[in-house]
Amino acid sequence: QVQLQQWGAGLLKPSETLSLTCAVYGGSFTDYYWSWIRQPPGKGLEWIGEINHSETTNYNPSLKSRVTISVDTSKNQFSLKLSSVTAADTAVYYCARGPHWFLGIRVAWFDPWGQGTQVTVSS
Amino acid sequence: EIVLTQSPGTLSLSPGERATLSCRASQSVSSSSLAWYQQKPGQAPRLLIYGASSRATGIPDRFSGSGSGTDFTLTISRLEPEDFAVYYCQQYGTSPWTFGQGTKVEIK
Repeated sequence: QVQLQQWGAGLLKPSETLSLTCAVYGGSFTDYYWSWIRQPPGKGLEWIGEINHSETTNYNPSLKSRVTISVDTSKNQFSLKLSSVTAADTAVYYCARGPHWFLGIRVAWFDPWGQGTQVTVSS
Repeated sequence: EIVLTQSPGTLSLSPGERATLSCRASQSVSSSSLAWYQQKPGQAPRLLIYGASSRATGIPDRFSGSGSGTDFTLTISRLEPEDFAVYYCQQYGTSPWTFGQGTKVEIK
């Protein structure tokens, strides 16, 4: 059974860089892309971006200028950096498995998810 | 990007009743590339449905999905106490992958 465990700093000041890491336990690391998704308080979900073991990345255009997702295949881990944070970046950040190839088609549902990390940006 | 609009915002029902949740896309979702998730307070979302109508592993058969193009539906045939939660749809036909704003199913 695949499990994702994430960690990182939970309190940031405006203009700082958010940094989170997600470790994958069990299952194949190389058969999937790995994503970051966030959820502002009381709001819906926003996909941030994805990476695979070959360091191929795709980012949401709304955040692309500030986002870097990296991977460490030796540890089955992937990481998120979001620069120049503001209060609007306050959210619960999740890591999740997906996209992947399913019956020859690249599909991007997310399963499973990490436990989530509350990140608050405040001066 | 594809915008998903879920309705209603809140659904007030009693255990045993049928729940029908709607998800409408701003443009056609290719290949029925739509998923549904359930989220309970303080928890991560859980995948329920993918491919518009296929149940994920371990999901009870009281959950069913249907639809294509721009209109999709999640149906819970008989609500159990543990089904009261927020439900999100998500499209993965066109990047960026996007989610609806959610429908809360609450106890009446």
